Amino acid sequence: EIVMTQSPPTLSVSPGERATLSCRASQSISSHNLAWYQQKPGQAPRLLIFGTSTRATGVPARFSGSGSGTEFTLTISSLQSEDFAVYYCQQYNNFWTFGQGTKVEIK
Amino acid sequence: QVQLVQSGAEVKKPGASVKVSCKTSGYTFTENYMHWVRQAPGQGPEWMGWIIPYSGETYYAQKFQGRVTMTRDTSLSTAFMELRRLRYDDTAIYYCARDALGADDAFDIWGQGTKVTVSS
Repeated sequence: EIVMTQSPPTLSVSPGERATLSCRASQSISSHNLAWYQQKPGQAPRLLIFGTSTRATGVPARFSGSGSGTEFTLTISSLQSEDFAVYYCQQYNNFWTFGQGTKVEIK
Repeated sequence: QVQLVQSGAEVKKPGASVKVSCKTSGYTFTENYMHWVRQAPGQGPEWMGWIIPYSGETYYAQKFQGRVTMTRDTSLSTAFMELRRLRYDDTAIYYCARDALGADDAFDIWGQGTKVTVSS
């Protein structure tokens, strides 16, 4: 099983600032097979990014993804109030596994 | 629009079974794999398996093999997930989620979740 490790567990950021979230895979995965999700309290996860860097329909351009091999990053360029949430990475290179999440909270 | 609507919350005793439904609309049910994912309190999501609605073929994560059964009713455009021999640590929110490109992809549409509580 490919284990996904996210860091940091919690990220405190002020509105308007940049947030950088990291995700490491326990083995190399194709960049085609890495996604990011946003989850707000009481809601299902929402697909933000797939294929490492492609935004899903309706996702604002302030969200961007990058990386390759075992290291991947989600960047939110200028945090808006609606962006405070938990973010999960997911690999679908070999079945499907998720990270434990990074909570982005208001500083 | 594409929607997945799940059945309501359940409370079960240890050893019992639970069956969750996922009614789809807004797309052709048989064209996309349907996955089941669960999320225990404070944890990341955990993939349980998939069903191919067209054929009924299933694949279950090793952890759940022998305890889970995924089925579908194409006439109702609905998928089902049954988990047997429930344990306290099966307490979680269970989601159905559509495979984005049909198969082996990310999950683009999720149901609202079904809370399953295992309690004596």
